[in-house]
Amino acid sequence: DAKTTQPNSMESNEEEPVHLPCNHSTISGTDYIHWYRQLPSQGPEYVIHGLTSNVNNRMASLAIAEDRKSSTLILHRATLRDAAVYYCIRNRNSGNTPLVFGKGTRLSVIA
Amino acid sequence: DTEVTQTPKHLVMGMTNKKSLKCEQHMGHRAMYWYKQKAKKPPELMFVYSYEKLSINESVPSRFSPECPNSSLLNLHLHALQPEDSALYLCASSQPTGRKATDTQYFGPGTRLTVL
Repeated sequence: DAKTTQPNSMESNEEEPVHLPCNHSTISGTDYIHWYRQLPSQGPEYVIHGLTSNVNNRMASLAIAEDRKSSTLILHRATLRDAAVYYCIRNRNSGNTPLVFGKGTRLSVIA
Repeated sequence: DTEVTQTPKHLVMGMTNKKSLKCEQHMGHRAMYWYKQKAKKPPELMFVYSYEKLSINESVPSRFSPECPNSSLLNLHLHALQPEDSALYLCASSQPTGRKATDTQYFGPGTRLTVL
C-alpha cells in the first residue's frame, strides 16, 4: 500500500511552472516524502525529498504543508524532457527501506 | 559516478531456459534491490540485499533466485519462467548506514524480459 494519492495525469505547457500535488494524510512523524520520476524507457530517477521544511534543488522544489498531510512538487519551468511519470513516496529514510510506488502522475508537456 | 548498470538490456527466453540478469554499481552502496515493473504499472519490490545478505523477499516465486556475490554485484537467476513474468526488471542501490545513510535509490535502466 503506497499510502499516497496523486492525480493520474496532468498537462503543462513548455516553459511554464508545474505543480504536482500529493496527498499523504496518514503520514507518520518520522516518514520523509520522496519524489521520483520515470522518463519513458528508463528506470526511476530521484528528484527530491523532505521532512518538514520546503526543499529546493537544481531539479525542483518541494513544498510541504504545515500539517504534513500533503505536499507539492514544483517544476519551475517545464521542458519537454520533464514529461514523465512522477511518484510521491513516503519513506523512513533509514537507508535500506524499499520504495513503495503508487500509481504516480503522468505529466505531459506541450510545446 | 552515480551509475547503476544492468545487463542485458533486452532478453527473450523460453519457458525451459535458464538465464541471469546482472546489476553492478561502484558507488560503495551496501543495499541493493530488485524491482519488477509490468507495462503501465509502477515498480514493485522483489528482493532487498543489505550488506550482501538477503533481508527482504516479497514472496517471490522460487523460479526467481537472487544472488549478491559481492558488494558491487547483484544477480537475478531465472529458471522455468512463465509468459506472465515478462516485464522490466529494475535494479537499484542505496547507502544504508553511516553519516550519509539515505533512502535515495539509484536505479539502473532495467532489463526488458520477454518469456515466450
